[in-house]
Amino acid sequence: DAKTTQPTSMDCAEGRAANLPCNHSTISGNEYVYWYRQIHSQGPQYIIHGLKNNETNEMASLIITEDRKSSTLILPHATLRDTAVYYCIVRVRNAGNMLTFGGGTRLMVKP
Amino acid sequence: DGGITQSPKYLFRKEGQNVTLSCEQNLNHDAMYWYRQDPGQGLRLIYYSQIVNDFQKGDIAEGYSVSREKKESFPLTVTSAQKNPTAFYLCASSKFYGTSDKGELFFGEGSRLTVL
Repeated sequence: DAKTTQPTSMDCAEGRAANLPCNHSTISGNEYVYWYRQIHSQGPQYIIHGLKNNETNEMASLIITEDRKSSTLILPHATLRDTAVYYCIVRVRNAGNMLTFGGGTRLMVKP
Repeated sequence: DGGITQSPKYLFRKEGQNVTLSCEQNLNHDAMYWYRQDPGQGLRLIYYSQIVNDFQKGDIAEGYSVSREKKESFPLTVTSAQKNPTAFYLCASSKFYGTSDKGELFFGEGSRLTVL
């Protein structure tokens, strides 16, 4: 799996959009970008994934650059409950679900 | 409700004792996984199983053992050979990786082991 680089921590004001960046400059053509989040002392939760096109679901939007070397997870209206560690992972889909979790970004949403 | 149940949530043991962490899922998933998480760190894969009666070592299998006698259950034993067993342990499951559409892992709530 390609390595990812994320900022260690970020702050966001409640109600504002939270934009979490991820660099994956060595990503291969068949590797997907996955995002999970982990609220303190709980198991990680799947958020979204994508290959080339931007994706949106009820939780977030994923913007992938045209060269696929980086992506941004967007939480459109952050709430206090979005305070968590966000993990960006790249992997070949359906080639094994053994995800490699790096350090992630600790997002603090403040009132 | 379908999900993954880990028990116990908190466990204290003396050094040198083996401990077994339980993981049960009713999602009818084929694959199950065990991860370890240390404070402020990401998750590291200990063992995984893609099918009953089969399992493979992950990145940090030394000092751990598993079994997969039933599809629903994947217990993890932390043996006395594990040099630093105090950690947060997470169990996960997924559809068999060859047929998964999202490639999504479902996690339990974790078991926090403290060795005194």
